[in-house]
This record gives sequence, structure tokens and C-alpha cells, in this order.
Amino acid sequence: KQEVTQIPAALSVPEGENLVLNCSFTDSAIYNLQWFRQDPGKGLTSLLLIQSSQREQTSGRLNASLDKSSGRSTLYIAASQPGDSATYLCAVRVETSGSRLTFGEGTQLTVNP
Amino acid sequence: EAQVTQNPRYLITVTGKKLTVTCSQNMNHEYMSWYRQDPGLGLRQIYYSMNVEVTDKGDVPEGYKVSRKEKRNFPLILESPSPNQTSLYFCASSFKFIGGDSYEQYFGPGTRLTVT
Repeated sequence: KQEVTQIPAALSVPEGENLVLNCSFTDSAIYNLQWFRQDPGKGLTSLLLIQSSQREQTSGRLNASLDKSSGRSTLYIAASQPGDSATYLCAVRVETSGSRLTFGEGTQLTVNP
Repeated sequence: EAQVTQNPRYLITVTGKKLTVTCSQNMNHEYMSWYRQDPGLGLRQIYYSMNVEVTDKGDVPEGYKVSRKEKRNFPLILESPSPNQTSLYFCASSFKFIGGDSYEQYFGPGTRLTVT
């Protein structure tokens, strides 16, 4: 059974700092990995989708990498801003589970002005 | 605007009173699913649908029903809600998974359900 772990569970940084969020998964037979952002009491906003054949994806100040063989992904946020404060979730779509996404529990990020 | 909508956004009900949470998407997606989110447990899939009239159980289907009579709608039905179904519910949709093509999933804004 696929398990997804995100470390750290919470992170607090000063504004302007570059930071890395980590995601690991136990079953490397994935089709894709998706990073989401969730604001308190709100829905999930998709940030980046990495197909299993890709190594990384970039969108603005965000860069996500995928190392399928080692079961790891990182989300790099450059020049963090207070508006980046949210919970970041990674989710994998596993080959053996059809279209189901398996989620990590998230990293709660606080960027202090 | 492409979106997934859910109604209601907030609901407080009592044990045993049947309720339906609606989900609709305007992106012509074949695949739709329901998740619940609980502290310490993360997001878990309840049911999913690969297309009209095709549904299947996810990880935590007990106490829930779904139907997919139209492509755009995927309602979640709680026939006899219980307090352990108090949770934050999300509907999601995407294009159908075909072989190596795997599409991103779009999520609705969530429905916060409290069962007393």
C-alpha cells in the first residue's frame, strides 16, 4: 500500500528566504505526483504536476523535482512571501490504483514579514 | 471559468437525517471522486467514478453512497449520517486516465459537515 510522508510537518521562515519542502512515497510505480496548496478552511489549489517521466516542473517561484527511483519529491519556493503561508500537500497517482490520489499529511508553512 | 462546485459549503445536521452534498464540474471531465479530510488522517478517497454509471469504492466508502447519472454531476449521499462522518469533504475531477497519460485533478472548495 502506498504511503506518502511529508517532512517537516510545520515550517516557519522569515520573508525572502528560499525553502524546500519534502515528500517521500513508498511505491515508486507512480503515474504522476501533484503538489497542492491549501489555505485554512479552503479547497486545494493545484500548483504543479510532474509526470513520472519528468524530473522537474517550474511555475514562477516554484520548482518541483521528482526522483521516482528513490521515492522522493521536493518543492522549492524561492524568495518566500507572507502570501505563501499555507499548507502544502503532495499526492501521488499510483499505477495500481487507477486514478486515486494518495496524499501526504502536508507541511504547514508560515512566512513571517 | 473552469471549476468544480460543491453545495452546501457548510452543513450542520443531526444523526440519522439523510443528506446529499452535490458536486458539479464544467470541464467535461470523465473522472470524478470524493475525499474526506480529517486531522491526523489527511485526505482519504471515499468513492470515485470513471464515467457515467461507473462508480467504485475508495479507501473509506462505509456509510456513503454516490451516483453518476450525468457526466457533470457526482452527488455524495449520506443515508444515515453519524458523528464520525463529521469532516471536511472535497470533490475532485479530471480527464480520464488513459495508459501513460495522467491528468491533474481539480478540487472543489470543500463542504464542512458537522453531524451532532
